[in-house]
Amino acid sequence: AQTVTQSQPEMSVQEAETVTLSCTYDTSENNYYLFWYKQPPSRQMILVIRQEAYKQQNATENRFSVNFQKAAKSFSLKISDSQLGDTAMYFCAFMKAASGTYKYIFGTGTRLKVLA
Amino acid sequence: NAGVMQNPRHLVRRRGQEARLRCSPMKGHSHVYWYRQLPEEGLKFMVYLQKENIIDESGMPKERFSAEFPKEGPSILRIQQVVRGDSAAYFCASSRSEGLTGELFFGEGSRLTVL
Repeated sequence: AQTVTQSQPEMSVQEAETVTLSCTYDTSENNYYLFWYKQPPSRQMILVIRQEAYKQQNATENRFSVNFQKAAKSFSLKISDSQLGDTAMYFCAFMKAASGTYKYIFGTGTRLKVLA
Repeated sequence: NAGVMQNPRHLVRRRGQEARLRCSPMKGHSHVYWYRQLPEEGLKFMVYLQKENIIDESGMPKERFSAEFPKEGPSILRIQQVVRGDSAAYFCASSRSEGLTGELFFGEGSRLTVL
């Protein structure tokens, strides 16, 4: 069974600095998707970034980028130039498609606080 | 294109009552997922449905909880005879089947409080 582990329950970073959130996963699959979701205090989950496992190039979205190490089963999120609005819970997620069904597994989350 | 719509946003029930939570997926989405989130905790998978079918209910308690996604209308998560431990935020998410991008779109959640 697939598992997703986020080993950092809480982190903080100074505004404008860079922070990296870690995520590891366990799977025997070769093709899958990985995601980082953000849940701000307003509580609605929104997608931050997505990575297809078959792509070697790391995904980037503006200030957000990932370090995807497939062999190590690692998928860390780097936030550059942190802003106060980045304060949120961040969830790493794994998705595998099989026979028209799609199963998502979420990590337990990392609470990030950006300090002024 | 409206997002995932959940209602009610807040629901208060007394122990022993029933709670019904509704979720309308995004237009064109035929996959619906329900998650539960306890305060200060992560998302716990409950059930995965496609139209008229339960695909995976491995995360849902065997008793008192049920879910459906009928051919017409919203998906419903039903909790019978609620207990205080059912107090949580319940999130619905949906995704497409064709042209899959992999992204789950979440609703704003329904917060259930059991008195």
